[in-house]
Amino acid sequence: QSVLTQPPSVSGAPGQGVTFSCTGTSSNIGAGYDVHWYQQLPGTAPKLLIYGNNNRPSGVPDRFSGSKSDTSASLAITGLQAEDEADYYCQSYDSSLSGSVFGGGTKLTVL
Amino acid sequence: QVQLQESGPGLVKPSETLSLTCTVSGASIRSYYWSWIRQPPGKGLEWIGYIYYSGSASYNPSLKSRVTISVDTSKNQPSLKLTSVTAADTAVYYCVRYSPQYSSSFDVWGQGTTVTVSS
Repeated sequence: QSVLTQPPSVSGAPGQGVTFSCTGTSSNIGAGYDVHWYQQLPGTAPKLLIYGNNNRPSGVPDRFSGSKSDTSASLAITGLQAEDEADYYCQSYDSSLSGSVFGGGTKLTVL
Repeated sequence: QVQLQESGPGLVKPSETLSLTCTVSGASIRSYYWSWIRQPPGKGLEWIGYIYYSGSASYNPSLKSRVTISVDTSKNQPSLKLTSVTAADTAVYYCVRYSPQYSSSFDVWGQGTTVTVSS
């Protein structure tokens, strides 16, 4: 059972947009801690996709965007491409655990 | 370009100690936190803990009694020790940089090393 809750799967057709949700509690996202998102392509290590709720590291396309509100956060992808098919994880800090916590991950299928 | 490379035994017997080392290249180990994160087969990511180059460390409460993360600044190497392992500790183990500059996110990942716990 992950501290942050993510739906297990999301799908979309090429060119469309999808949104991933990440729900936390008052001890993590709701406490004001930043949310970060990671993309894990099949068979590879995760890669930082969004940091600090809505910032993209250098090299990440602007098709990817993040937002945060109250006890939840979202990742949006526009203009879906086949290479976006991957697992997406959200991560934050939890004050009651005094450490980093992850969501269970959402698998994106590009139809 | 910062690169992280994990190394250590790929097979550990139950009840024994898992020991992994991470070699950091392209950056000094100072000024950052260094973390270990694991991923059991077919499952999600689990934060194990992190350490600052000064030696100050923080651990996942669920693993705290069995985990030690240390850092050898002379070799630019963070290390992980996990005692009394069971099959539940079978996972890919990642060495990861924890970066205050990126809002305390995990910004650089090693390729991961697979550790299987089995007799």
